Amino acid sequence: QKEVEQDPGPLSVPEGAIVSLNCTYSNSAFQYFMWYRQYSRKGPELLMYTYSSGNKEDGRFTAQVDKSSKYISLFIRDSQPSDSATYLCAMSSLIQGAQKLVFGQGTRLTINP
Amino acid sequence: NAGVMQNPRHLVRRRGQEARLRCSPMKGHSHVYWYRQLPEEGLKFMVYLQKENIIDESGMPKERFSAEFPKEGPSILRIQQVVRGDSAAYFCASSPPTGSNYGYTFGSGTRLTVV
Repeated sequence: QKEVEQDPGPLSVPEGAIVSLNCTYSNSAFQYFMWYRQYSRKGPELLMYTYSSGNKEDGRFTAQVDKSSKYISLFIRDSQPSDSATYLCAMSSLIQGAQKLVFGQGTRLTINP
Repeated sequence: NAGVMQNPRHLVRRRGQEARLRCSPMKGHSHVYWYRQLPEEGLKFMVYLQKENIIDESGMPKERFSAEFPKEGPSILRIQQVVRGDSAAYFCASSPPTGSNYGYTFGSGTRLTVV
């Protein structure tokens, strides 16, 4: 079993829709949770960062962490064609070294105009 | 303010040759991380370095792979005697001296193709 599971998609939605992306994990020691966006042939860029459980909102993006269920989500409101990319969840723990990120496989998202 | 610079962007090597991948961290960043991304997979941690020190190399294959971050110059990921399975995108990231993963900035990667 992988430490972090993420549905690779692809996921295709119309412009303006609400997008929900999810990851599950097995390591209860994970405390830091991140979402990265990766455009084709580019490096990942950090979108959201959350410590422990709870919600965090930044513009059209909302990140949720449910540690009891070992489940994290990223919601994108009013999705735009420019949001089309691969979204990667990542997490880390102090035990394994907070600097070492464990990534999900990534979900390929397409927003259709 | 340049970001993390990786070169070359694309590298083609024949089986058995050596591959050298370079990474210059962002200005003011002294921590460097290398990750590998195989096709249709997420990124896998390889190694974490500070200037002249390897802090965590738990993700590095035991043979043929080595990394360094000298006092002067870029970080180098070196793959000796490359095989087809080494074909992947290799990403470097850097962070400030606090070493926080919150400050990770990734480069655009080097795409290695072994023929």
